[in-house]
Amino acid sequence: QITLKESGPTLVKPTQTLTLTCTFSGFSLSSSGVGVGWIRQPPGKALEWLALIYWDDDKRHSPSLKSRLTITKDTSKNQVVLTMTNMDPVDTATYYCAHTSIYGVLVRVFDYWGQGTLVTVSS
Amino acid sequence: DIQLTQSPSFLSASVGDRVTITCRASQGISIYLGWYQQKPGKAPKLLIYGASTLQSGVPSRFSGGGSGTEFTLTISSLQPEDFATYYCQQGNGYPRTFGQGTKVEIK
Repeated sequence: QITLKESGPTLVKPTQTLTLTCTFSGFSLSSSGVGVGWIRQPPGKALEWLALIYWDDDKRHSPSLKSRLTITKDTSKNQVVLTMTNMDPVDTATYYCAHTSIYGVLVRVFDYWGQGTLVTVSS
Repeated sequence: DIQLTQSPSFLSASVGDRVTITCRASQGISIYLGWYQQKPGKAPKLLIYGASTLQSGVPSRFSGGGSGTEFTLTISSLQPEDFATYYCQQGNGYPRTFGQGTKVEIK
């Protein structure tokens, strides 16, 4: 059974750095083809893909946010960490992490999602 | 970036109706397309992958089709639990992108 859960601050101030952790179980991020992605959703708006990290440490980022994003993994802890610098009120959103893969049947979609964590950016 | 445009953005329908949502990609994405259902306050749920393959546990009234640049999600007989927002997502390139969503509401 695959589960993911996001954790981190619920409130950050403008210009601060946000650090979110995705803790997962039921799969290994050292298995070939496996990846974990981050997706966010501002209140009442659409989903926006942020970043992905794969089993081989290949990393992909949204071009519009690339300079602000860092994604890392700790395979031994079953965790993926996303940091976003210089937070702004427009970054207020629910942040999700999700499982994906590039091999097998369920390729290139997000088949398991965390419950999401709402991050508010306000002074 | 590959842009995905969903139509309509809003759909009002009755229980039992057949509804179809379209997702158009700005360039060809083969069949690397997924459809998700999202209910208020919940994470998205994968319904369809590979453009037309039903995810395990998803009712058979949901179906997907298309390839290249035009895709559809069809609900053959709308049920009360289907009122939600639906998103398409492409996996052909980076950045991964989502459509803007289609909200299905009760008429």
